[in-house]
Amino acid sequence: GAVVSQHPSRVICKSGTSVKIECRSLDFQATTMFWYRQFPKQSLMLMATSNEGSKATYEQGVEKDKFLINHASLTLSTLTVTSAHPEDSSFYICSAPTTGGKNIQYFGAGTRLSVL
Amino acid sequence: GESVGLHLPTLSVQEGDNSIINCAYSNSASDYFIWYKQESGKGPQFIIDIRSNMDKRQGQRVTVLLNKTVKHLSLQIAATQPGDSAVYFCAEALNQAGTALIFGKGTTLSVSS
Repeated sequence: GAVVSQHPSRVICKSGTSVKIECRSLDFQATTMFWYRQFPKQSLMLMATSNEGSKATYEQGVEKDKFLINHASLTLSTLTVTSAHPEDSSFYICSAPTTGGKNIQYFGAGTRLSVL
Repeated sequence: GESVGLHLPTLSVQEGDNSIINCAYSNSASDYFIWYKQESGKGPQFIIDIRSNMDKRQGQRVTVLLNKTVKHLSLQIAATQPGDSAVYFCAEALNQAGTALIFGKGTTLSVSS
């Protein structure tokens, strides 16, 4: 199947710093990518839809100034957690749907963010 | 808001048994459903999908059943193996055109040998 690469897999940072997470579609182009957040033993919650060449669409309750999304090319979307705080510690996962009419969304391996 | 949910948070089976994982959804407008498997510390892995114009679809050792009348989705795993141990999520989408997925709460499947 299609491959979505997410980097880094794990990051530990101090409170107040910013962290950038990259999501790449390796063997297909993705005009849309999605960012999810997952707390321990819970389901995935959609944070935002990343659109290539235009602004991201954020879900209700997600601060767009805190979670900056940039979809600069057809294979790369980035999520920057700005001024991270301990409550931002979570598992962040991106996904990209394949094209051609199918909505098979392939997910990255996730990024475990720990804010001290 | 409307969401997809699962009946049981955990399911324990013996190796070789058949497993059935259930999911109830509430959005009658959803047109497309997917089952994902998530192992600890990893992203979800696609298992099988089904459109609303079908009521059954089979894959390798897996079958998805869709009952639109009662808004119920199930995943059947035949001859369950220890490697099947993971959290299973159902997800729904309004259509197949690359829209965002709404995930259910997940069922943890534990397979003992």
